[in-house]
Amino acid sequence: DQQVKQNSPSLSVQEGRISILNCDYTNSMFDYFLWYKKYPAEGPTFLISISSIKDKNEDGRFTVFLNKSAKHLSLHIVPSQPGDSAVYFCAAVGPRTGNQFYFGTGTSLTVIP
Amino acid sequence: SAVISQKPSRDICQRGTSLTIQCQVDSQVTMMFWYRQQPGQSLTLIATANQGSEATYESGFVIDKFPISRPNLTFSTLTVSNLSPEDSSIYLCSVGSFGTGELFFGEGSRLTVL
Repeated sequence: DQQVKQNSPSLSVQEGRISILNCDYTNSMFDYFLWYKKYPAEGPTFLISISSIKDKNEDGRFTVFLNKSAKHLSLHIVPSQPGDSAVYFCAAVGPRTGNQFYFGTGTSLTVIP
Repeated sequence: SAVISQKPSRDICQRGTSLTIQCQVDSQVTMMFWYRQQPGQSLTLIATANQGSEATYESGFVIDKFPISRPNLTFSTLTVSNLSPEDSSIYLCSVGSFGTGELFFGEGSRLTVL
């Protein structure tokens, strides 16, 4: 049972425009939501997170929005840069779910120069 | 943060053989995690490697197929035994910071089974 879902396997965006990556989850017991970025031949690296008590967290060009009623989160990258081209995974975790990280299947973002 | 090194970065193995993947962390950690990412799939937790005790396996993963060693607080190995083409995946070692909710990953080991 996939508790975290990313329904878009790929996304292409022009440089300078906004990239919006979406993620849905099914378990309301998650306490933290995270986004990881993965380049080819490298492990995923942490990008940004949000606590379930917040609805927005911003870090430079990256903003994560959380809509708990819809069990949905999104990552906004603005402006998008070619170096942002990577696979983005969303993840969810929490003490009430055994502290196990649940990952989505990833969205491959391509930023076109 | 933690710096995690994995070896090998990639390997091609014959069916029926085994591959052992090593994971070295630059700091002492209580728990180390082994994940698998099959093509087009999410990262799936195989097991948690605890120093001084047996690894804890997730549903669908067994010790005979994925034996794990954890001889000290900075090192772990994952062996994938009796390889079949279905084992072709990226295997990732990670350590976590539950205080911040972050996981740190190694570079991954890409296994291809012929």
